[in-house]
Amino acid sequence: QKEVEQNSGPLSVPEGAIASLNCTYSDRVSQSFFWYRQYSGKSPELIMSIYSNGDKEDGRFTAQLNKASQYVSLLIRDSQPSDSATYLCAVNLMNTGFQKLVFGTGTRLLVSP
Amino acid sequence: EPEVTQTPSHQVTQMGQEVILRCVPISNHLYFYWYRQILGQKVEFLVSFYNNEISEKSEIFDDQFSVERPDGSNFTLKIRSTKLEDSAMYFCASSLNGELFFGEGSRLTVL
Repeated sequence: QKEVEQNSGPLSVPEGAIASLNCTYSDRVSQSFFWYRQYSGKSPELIMSIYSNGDKEDGRFTAQLNKASQYVSLLIRDSQPSDSATYLCAVNLMNTGFQKLVFGTGTRLLVSP
Repeated sequence: EPEVTQTPSHQVTQMGQEVILRCVPISNHLYFYWYRQILGQKVEFLVSFYNNEISEKSEIFDDQFSVERPDGSNFTLKIRSTKLEDSAMYFCASSLNGELFFGEGSRLTVL
């Protein structure tokens, strides 16, 4: 069974702080990794994708991937109350063009003003 | 910005009835998907569709489910005889070659 594990939270941080979200996955052949943001009752919204080891930065977001440790993380700098949502880690099991994503349960982030 | 659109946003049906959920993927995308999310649970893969055929399906996607791309724009999910446990949010998604973009979802309630 291919698993993606996340701490369900909630992770509470004050406005302006750095939020650190973590994810581990079980399948060593996983090819690509994604972070989605999901507001309550809404659909997943793509935040970041990462395909190779190391860091990838996009604005206030940094994704980190360590394939040896089977670990993906998302850092959110200068957290805002509007960042309060559930963050879903997703792992693609396929190395073909289409995406068969396995999602974690998500980490709920609460950013207090 | 192009987006995936889904209809209806909410459907209530009686157990045993057929339901069709509709999606219009992003126009230049090649791969189409259905995922579902039961309330409070993970987003789960159902099926992927490429070049007018199913490329992969999960064990959830049994004989009660089918997908179709009847014309150049629509992509549909049919549930032949709904069960109570089919109640969920159904998300359509599409991709070109990499990142997956989701529609707003269709909430299905089976009574």
